Amino acid sequence: EDKVVQSPLSLVVHEGDTVTLNCSYEVTNFRSLLWYKQEKKAPTFLFMLTSSGIEKKSGRLSSILDKKELFSILNITATQTGDSAVYLCAVPSYSGAGSYQLTFGKGTKLSVIP
Amino acid sequence: EAGVAQSPRYKIIEKRQSVAFWCNPISGHATLYWYQQILGQGPKLLIQFQNNGVVDDSQLPKDRFSAERLKGVDSTLKIQPAKLEDSAVYLCASSLVGGLYEQYFGPGTRLTVT
Repeated sequence: EDKVVQSPLSLVVHEGDTVTLNCSYEVTNFRSLLWYKQEKKAPTFLFMLTSSGIEKKSGRLSSILDKKELFSILNITATQTGDSAVYLCAVPSYSGAGSYQLTFGKGTKLSVIP
Repeated sequence: EAGVAQSPRYKIIEKRQSVAFWCNPISGHATLYWYQQILGQGPKLLIQFQNNGVVDDSQLPKDRFSAERLKGVDSTLKIQPAKLEDSAVYLCASSLVGGLYEQYFGPGTRLTVT
């Protein structure tokens, strides 16, 4: 059974701090790893990673994948209160008929204090 | 581009009552997913459709949950009868290419069973 483990489960930081969120995975036939941000209801897509060592960057957020050690990290620099959210890590698992489903971790709840 | 639409946004029912949720995916997305997200957990897949066929419903509690996507577009998820432990956010998502890439999530329905 495919598995995704995120750490820490919750984190409280002050504005301006830099944070690193961790995601480790076990999956049959790895294809990609995805990061989502969930503020109120719907998770919104951040990054998809497929290759080791290649950093994906979007503003103050960046992410990298290590396929040898089976983990990914999500970095947020100069955190702002708007970064407060649950960050979800997910991997696609083959579900049959040419389709994939996402296996999610429990998420890391980030709280940024002014 | 219009996003994934879901209704209702909130629902409160008593245990043993029935409830139905509706989802309209992004136009052209063949794959549709229903997830259950219990507080403090990542989303858990309930059922995955490819067009109007079921790809995976292995985690759907079939004694009380049912879902259909008759014309391969919008979908309904029903719970009958509801139990207290069904209190959760029910998320609908859709994707191209069978979910290997990014999934787009709707705003979700928060169900409270009293």
